[in-house]
Amino acid sequence: GAGVSQSPSNKVTEKGKDVELRCDPISGHTALYWYRQSLGQGLEFLIYFQGNSAPDKSGLPSDRFSAERTGGSVSTLTIQRTQQEDSAVYLCASSYPLQGLRTEAFFGQGTRLTVV
Amino acid sequence: KQEVTQIPAALSVPEGENLVLNCSFTDSAIYNLQWFRQDPGKGLTSLLLIQSSQREQTSGRLNASLDKSSGRSTLYIAASQPGDSATYLCAVKEGIKAAGNKLTFGGGTRVLVKP
Repeated sequence: GAGVSQSPSNKVTEKGKDVELRCDPISGHTALYWYRQSLGQGLEFLIYFQGNSAPDKSGLPSDRFSAERTGGSVSTLTIQRTQQEDSAVYLCASSYPLQGLRTEAFFGQGTRLTVV
Repeated sequence: KQEVTQIPAALSVPEGENLVLNCSFTDSAIYNLQWFRQDPGKGLTSLLLIQSSQREQTSGRLNASLDKSSGRSTLYIAASQPGDSATYLCAVKEGIKAAGNKLTFGGGTRVLVKP
């Protein structure tokens, strides 16, 4: 597709359940980011993938959060044993890497996660 | 640690007035700075990207300036319209270093343009 695609757009889950959020980046973009935006809050960095390099996981808030990127394209963010404080909008973005090409980041529409 | 601040947090202007949105960052060693727009319940839409070597970028009614040495960027929106009502976010991307690559965001400025 032409833009970053995220699914599902909305997810309601019970406390303690695991959830998986998916991100399809723009074709050709090797850099992929996950951010979290809690209600009324700014964007909180979670994790960054660049090509085959080791991901920057410095923003993951706890070991319940993990992410993978298969084949250098699609990424999945997994939250295990969800808690109510995990309720937020999870945003994915992709861009070309720093070297050479434009590094403008493009965001998906987000996944609104509600933990009840 | 890079910190990005946007002041004011909220701004209300009558239609037709020019908008001036400010963004400041603490570490001037940035690779680029990007301005985004976010409508309620939506994702982020990229407005302008300024590379660290550039002083400004323009797109239609939008103009963004960058003064890297003083750690500031300003987004100007000329002749505001009610459709410009949204939250505007700036983000900096740091250079190629161990702590870099991620985008660091400001808290945003919520803009309301009244008809």
